[in-house]
This record gives sequence, C-alpha cells and structure tokens, in this order.
Amino acid sequence: AQSVSQHNHHVILSEAASLELGCNYSYGGTVNLFWYVQYPGQHLQLLLKYFSGDPLVKGIKGFEAEFIKSKFSFNLRKPSVQWSDTAEYFCAVNALLSSGSARQLTFGSGTQLTVLP
Amino acid sequence: NAGVTQTPKFRILKIGQSMTLQCTQDMNHNYMYWYRQDPGMGLKLIYYSVGAGITDKGEVPNGYNVSRSTTEDFPLRLELAAPSQTSVYFCASSYGGQGVREQYFGPGTRLTVT
Repeated sequence: AQSVSQHNHHVILSEAASLELGCNYSYGGTVNLFWYVQYPGQHLQLLLKYFSGDPLVKGIKGFEAEFIKSKFSFNLRKPSVQWSDTAEYFCAVNALLSSGSARQLTFGSGTQLTVLP
Repeated sequence: NAGVTQTPKFRILKIGQSMTLQCTQDMNHNYMYWYRQDPGMGLKLIYYSVGAGITDKGEVPNGYNVSRSTTEDFPLRLELAAPSQTSVYFCASSYGGQGVREQYFGPGTRLTVT
C-alpha cells in the first residue's frame, strides 16, 4: 500500500526564518505529488503540485518543492516565512486505486507550522 | 462558481442517531470523495465516486454509506452514529479523466457524537 510520511509534526519558526518540511512516500510507480495547506478553521487548499518535468516546482505565496525521485521525497521550502504562513501542511501522493478505475490521494499526517511574530 | 459546498458546518449527534452530510459541486467534476480528518492522522478516504451511479469504498468505509444520483451531489450517510465517528468531514471533487487533476475541497463539517 502507498504511504506518505511527514516526519515533522510541529515546527515553530520566527518570522523571516527559512522553512523546509519533509515528505517521503512509498510507491514504486509513477507518482503525482501535492502539497496542501489548511489555515486555521479553513478547508484544504492546493499549494503546489508536481506531475512531470522540472522537479523543482513553484507554488503560491512563495512556496516551492523539489521532487527527488531517488530519495522518494518531495520537500516543501520557503526562504522566508511570515506569520500568515501559520497553518497545517499536508503532503499527498496520487496513486491508482485497487480497482484501477480512479486515483486517490494518500495524505501524510500533516505538519503544523507556527510562525512567531 | 461556488466550488464545493457542504452542509451543515457543525452538528452534534447522540449515539445511535443518523444524519446525512450534504456535498455539492458546481464544477462538473466527475470524481467526488469523502474524507475524515482526525488530529494527527491526516485525511482518510471514506468513499469515492467516479460518476453518477458509481460509488466505491475507500480506506475507512465502515459505518457510512453514500449515493451519487447526480453529477453535482454526493451525500454521506451515517446510520447509527458512534463516538468514533466524531471527526471533521471533507468532501472533495476532481476531474478524473486520463490526466491527473488536483482535488478541490469543501469547507468541512465538524461532527461530534456524544
């Protein structure tokens, strides 16, 4: 079964610090990768996605992620965080369902980011 | 477009009661999904649908039922509510053709079973 690991459960940073959130997946086939963000009290919103091509993808609000196939990783980065980046961040992998008729997202357990002003 | 809408936003149920969580999307997406989100556990897929009249179980389907009579609507039914079903429920939709598409999420329903 596919799985996604986010090893950092809670990260606390000061404003202007750099951010890197880890995401590793286990899946032997072709993957499509996503980072979603959930601001307090809100629903999940897509931050960025990787389907193919350049392994360095840029998303909204200055976030980027790098797909390293050999390491099964898709880490999220931001050079300088802001207080408004306080949120929970979920990595997700797109995989075929057992029926083969659809694709589902397998989510990591999430990383809570707290940015101190 | 309103995107994905869910009702109600909050609900408290007593053990053994039943209820239906409503989900509607106006993006003409063929795929729809129900997830539950528990603290520290990420999102778990309950049921999904690849089109009207077609549904299938996800990772945690026990205690739930779904139907998909139209492209737009995908209600989730809890027949005999149990405390273990206390959670936040998210509906999502996506276009699921040959390509891969991201999922769009609704605002969620926070359910408490006591």
